[in-house]
Amino acid sequence: AQTVTQSQPEMSVQEAETVTLSCTYDTSESDYYLFWYKQPPSRQMILVIRQEAYKQQNATENRFSVNFQKAAKSFSLKISDSQLGDAAMYFCAYITTSGTYKYIFGTGTRLKVLA
Amino acid sequence: GAVVSQHPSWVICKSGTSVKIECRSLDFQATTMFWYRQFPKQSLMLMATSNEGSKATYEQGVEKDKFLINHASLTLSTLTVTSAHPEDSSFYICSARSGTGVGETQYFGPGTRLLVL
Repeated sequence: AQTVTQSQPEMSVQEAETVTLSCTYDTSESDYYLFWYKQPPSRQMILVIRQEAYKQQNATENRFSVNFQKAAKSFSLKISDSQLGDAAMYFCAYITTSGTYKYIFGTGTRLKVLA
Repeated sequence: GAVVSQHPSWVICKSGTSVKIECRSLDFQATTMFWYRQFPKQSLMLMATSNEGSKATYEQGVEKDKFLINHASLTLSTLTVTSAHPEDSSFYICSARSGTGVGETQYFGPGTRLLVL
């Protein structure tokens, strides 16, 4: 069965600094998608970034980038120039392109941004 | 980006009553919608997958007679919590699947906070 693991329950970063959130997953599939979602205190889930497994190039969205290591089944999120508004819960998610279509979420990492 | 709305955002009800929560995709059609439950400081737990025009697929351990799901159109899915009890109090989130293949993404509603007294 597919699983997603986020080993860091909580992380802190100084404003304007860089932080990396870890995510590992387990799957036997070769084709799938990976996502990072942000959930601020409002609890609205916001898509931060997505990565297709067949793409070797790491996805980038402004200050957010990923380090996708397919062989290691690792999908970390790097936030550069951290801002106070980045404080939130971050969830890593996996979905396969075959079989049952449903997201598998990690347990989340709470990110605190220190002024 | 695509927008998904939920109504109501907050509801308080008495034990034994039923509560309906609506999930709408505002600017796209969604053949598939999902219902999640989230307990405080925990991840999202998938309750069921809602497919337009067919019966919902429930996850193991979720009572289908207690959590009735209807996906009557390509833009609307409803979750009805029947005979609600205090243990049903939670945060319920819906999401809608947009696109297929490479471009597909799941967009989330803002959630509904349910408190059963």
